Amino acid sequence: GESVGLHLPTLSVQEGDNSIINCAYSNSASDYFIWYKQESGKGPQFIIDIRSNMDKRQGQRVTVLLNKTVKHLSLQIAATQPGDSAVYFCAETLMNTGNQFYFGTGTSLTVIP
Amino acid sequence: DAMVIQNPRYQVTQFGKPVTLSCSQTLNHNVMYWYQQKSSQAPKLLFHYYDKDFNNEADTPDNFQSRRPNTSFCFLDIRSPGLGDAAMYLCATRGRGVAGANVLTFGAGSRLTVL
Repeated sequence: GESVGLHLPTLSVQEGDNSIINCAYSNSASDYFIWYKQESGKGPQFIIDIRSNMDKRQGQRVTVLLNKTVKHLSLQIAATQPGDSAVYFCAETLMNTGNQFYFGTGTSLTVIP
Repeated sequence: DAMVIQNPRYQVTQFGKPVTLSCSQTLNHNVMYWYQQKSSQAPKLLFHYYDKDFNNEADTPDNFQSRRPNTSFCFLDIRSPGLGDAAMYLCATRGRGVAGANVLTFGAGSRLTVL
C-alpha cells in the first residue's frame, strides 16, 4: 500500500476550542483526498473531501486545507464538541485512474468538557 | 438504515482454523473493498473488486482471499489465521457523492480474535 500504519498521535482540546488535525500523504500524484472520522468500535465515516485543484474547502464546522507542495492536509474543526472525540484519518487516491484509497496515520482527538 | 452490512460483528477463531467474513451492500456500488485495521493503526487496503475484477495489493498475504459472487455481496476468507491476523476487518463500497466525487462508505467492521 501507499502508506504505512503507525501508532496514533493524540490531540486533546478543550470543548469550544478549535482543533487542527494534520496529515501527510505519500503520493504526489494523488488528486483526491477524504477525511474520515472513526469512533471506537465503528467503521470510518465520511467528513469532507477535497480535489487537488482546490486548496481549501469548507463544510459545517469543518475546513480542509490542502498543500500539494509539501503533500500535507489539515482538518480544522471549529468549536470542538465532546461528540467530536474520535480518531481522524485522511485518505488519498487517484480519482480517475485508480480505485485504491490509502489511509494516512490517524490522530486520536479527545475533547475535554 | 445500514447500507454496508458486515457479519459477524465479532468472530473468535482458533489458530489455523479458516474464517469467512461477509459484507453486503444495498447501494448497488460497483467497487467493494476489504481493509484490515489493527489496534491504533490506519486501515490497510487488502484488495478490492471493480465489478468482478479482483485487484490484490502487492503486500497482501496469500492467506487472505476474497470472493464476490454478485454485486451485493463480498467475502473475505482467511485460510489459516495466525495471531497476527487479529484485527478489525472493514468492508467499504465506492460511490459518487453530490459533487461527483468518489466516496467510500464503510460497514461497521468485523472484529477477529485469534486464540
